Amino acid sequence: DAGVIQSPRHEVTEMGQEVTLRCKPISGHDYLFWYRQTMMRGLELLIYFNNNVPIDDSGMPEDRFSAKMPNASFSTLKIQPSEPRDSAVYFCASSFGSEQFFGPGTRLTVL
Amino acid sequence: GQQVMQIPQYQHVQEGEDFTTYCNSSTTLSNIQWYKQRPGGHPVFLIQLVKSGEVKKQKRLTFQFGEAKKNSSLHITATQTTDVGTYFCAGPNSGGYQKVTFGIGTKLQVIP
Repeated sequence: DAGVIQSPRHEVTEMGQEVTLRCKPISGHDYLFWYRQTMMRGLELLIYFNNNVPIDDSGMPEDRFSAKMPNASFSTLKIQPSEPRDSAVYFCASSFGSEQFFGPGTRLTVL
Repeated sequence: GQQVMQIPQYQHVQEGEDFTTYCNSSTTLSNIQWYKQRPGGHPVFLIQLVKSGEVKKQKRLTFQFGEAKKNSSLHITATQTTDVGTYFCAGPNSGGYQKVTFGIGTKLQVIP
């Protein structure tokens, strides 16, 4: 199994631009999580899905952030418009039991 | 909401020395997980503890879950340079059994 796949691995954009991060979970996993990691705030859960349905989005910082999971093998996290404070590493993780499998992350830099 | 406190935040040790990181919760946890993140990498699951007073070992790593299920520790015996990284504990959040809250992590540096 290839594990959780995320793209792009690195993204540099300018303030105000739209950013879309992509995730392909491990086949058969029914939970998908989006996390943001920064030095200041550590690893924060943004949103998670169960069977493609958003369960808890209380960690989404504001309306500029949105996430979708149109099917069991694909999810997106969109930031529109992006701001410099959104710069972070964004991880996608999936699970079937309690163990979460993380993707390699997308390092986002907003100038 | 649920908070999981982790100490210390940073630890430098000489290669061969032991290392311990501690995790504390204000509420009783049904289970606790530990993850390791290598520099530039992503968190990787190490173990889950469920039972009160549980102790599990993985080679030089010893994991403990407190009797009251409010604290946990990870102890590494005779550290090696391959142990470098950040160790996170994670406890379930009342928002859902699959939702976990990660501690801030303990960043371990091993000096050769």
